[in-house]
Amino acid sequence: DVKVTQSSRYLVKRTGEKVFLECVQDMDHENMFWYRQDPGLGLRLIYFSYDVKMKEKGDIPEGYSVSREKKERFSLILESASTNQTSMYLCASTSAGGETDTQYFGPGTRLTVL
Amino acid sequence: SQKIEQNSEALNIQEGKTATLTCNYTNYSPAYLQWYRQDPGRGPVFLLLIRENEKEKRKERLKVTFDTTLKQSLFHITASQPADSATYLCALDPNGGATNKLIFGTGTLLAVQP
Repeated sequence: DVKVTQSSRYLVKRTGEKVFLECVQDMDHENMFWYRQDPGLGLRLIYFSYDVKMKEKGDIPEGYSVSREKKERFSLILESASTNQTSMYLCASTSAGGETDTQYFGPGTRLTVL
Repeated sequence: SQKIEQNSEALNIQEGKTATLTCNYTNYSPAYLQWYRQDPGRGPVFLLLIRENEKEKRKERLKVTFDTTLKQSLFHITASQPADSATYLCALDPNGGATNKLIFGTGTLLAVQP
């Protein structure tokens, strides 16, 4: 079974702090994604990566950066956390070149910024 | 504008009945459409995929239809059970599978009453 893990289920940070969210997948997937999910807005893509050290902005990249130094690990960084970044953050991965792009999600990190 | 719409109102049904959820999209021509289940506080889990040349797909008590003329997919759960209560998301690749990125609907909450 594909397994995507995220470093924390719940996280509470203060405004201005630098926050790291980590995601690890064990299926040798090329593509990895970071989403945030808010009530009424659904899943919104922040960044995605299609290879080590490669990244592309999604729909809402402002205030975020990412790092992919190893194939299995994709990190989301909030350089200076703000209250409007309080959200559920979901990581996903998928295989490139597969017949379909079914995404496998991690359990999510509920981030609260005070 | 391009978008995916799912009924934002919760669907309440009685145990044993068939639940039908709707996913409508505009201005896309997807090669396939996917359905995911999401439980509270968890990441989405892939359920079914239906291709543009398939009218119907089944998996146990689940059935999905895909009408590319109407730009609509219907998701059915027959003999519903309280354990089916969750939010169901539809998703499609707006680039026909070229980029492995998915666009998600906001989801419909299904509540099955015992």
